[in-house]
Amino acid sequence: DSGVTQTPKHLITATGQRVTLRCSPRSGDLSVYWYQQSLDQGLQFLIQYYNGEERAKGNILERFSAQQFPDLHSELNLSSLELGDSALYFCASSVGGGQHYNEQFFGPGTRLTVL
Amino acid sequence: AQKITQTQPGMFVQEKEAVTLDCTYDTSDQSYGLFWYKQPSSGEMIFLIYQGSYDEQNATEGRYSLNFQKARKSANLVISASQLGDSAMYFCAMSPRGGGNKLTFGTGTQLKVEL
Repeated sequence: DSGVTQTPKHLITATGQRVTLRCSPRSGDLSVYWYQQSLDQGLQFLIQYYNGEERAKGNILERFSAQQFPDLHSELNLSSLELGDSALYFCASSVGGGQHYNEQFFGPGTRLTVL
Repeated sequence: AQKITQTQPGMFVQEKEAVTLDCTYDTSDQSYGLFWYKQPSSGEMIFLIYQGSYDEQNATEGRYSLNFQKARKSANLVISASQLGDSAMYFCAMSPRGGGNKLTFGTGTQLKVEL
């Protein structure tokens, strides 16, 4: 158990819908990262927040947005869902925000299926 | 841009034998970090080992060691005394210095440990 929690574990929805994925980092970690794992794209970094502020952005679609709240939990919002958005979405957390290398601890993931 | 290449889609090893999983990388950064993660069939991502680009010694963590050859831009993972529980997908990843700590992943190597 990494200490990172993600809810829900599974999510099945229809095209065009909007969903919210939730992540709670390990106690004491200030950074939260979101990654998408799909068969065709592999593991891709989406976005990072550090202590409430956006720190780095990857290949995140405009239909996707994220935020980190004062209690450090984070939410990833996916809207106007398409079949290709079906994937395993991971949240990870680390102590620091990038000045030094910190291993990232991953949550169990949310498996999103878009029908 | 950073790139990770894992050329072995699948590997077989006998129990108690050692196995090397290959990873090469490409980056123009002088300072970077290299990581290995394990993903069992259950789906979670488990951090295994980290190597900094300026570390002179190869990293070791229990049965895991990282064979770091900076000039050749390779960061191979060596697993000694393989166990059945080592059967999983293994990902090599790297992160740049600064601008967050986002990970760029390779495509992974599926390792199967046999009796």
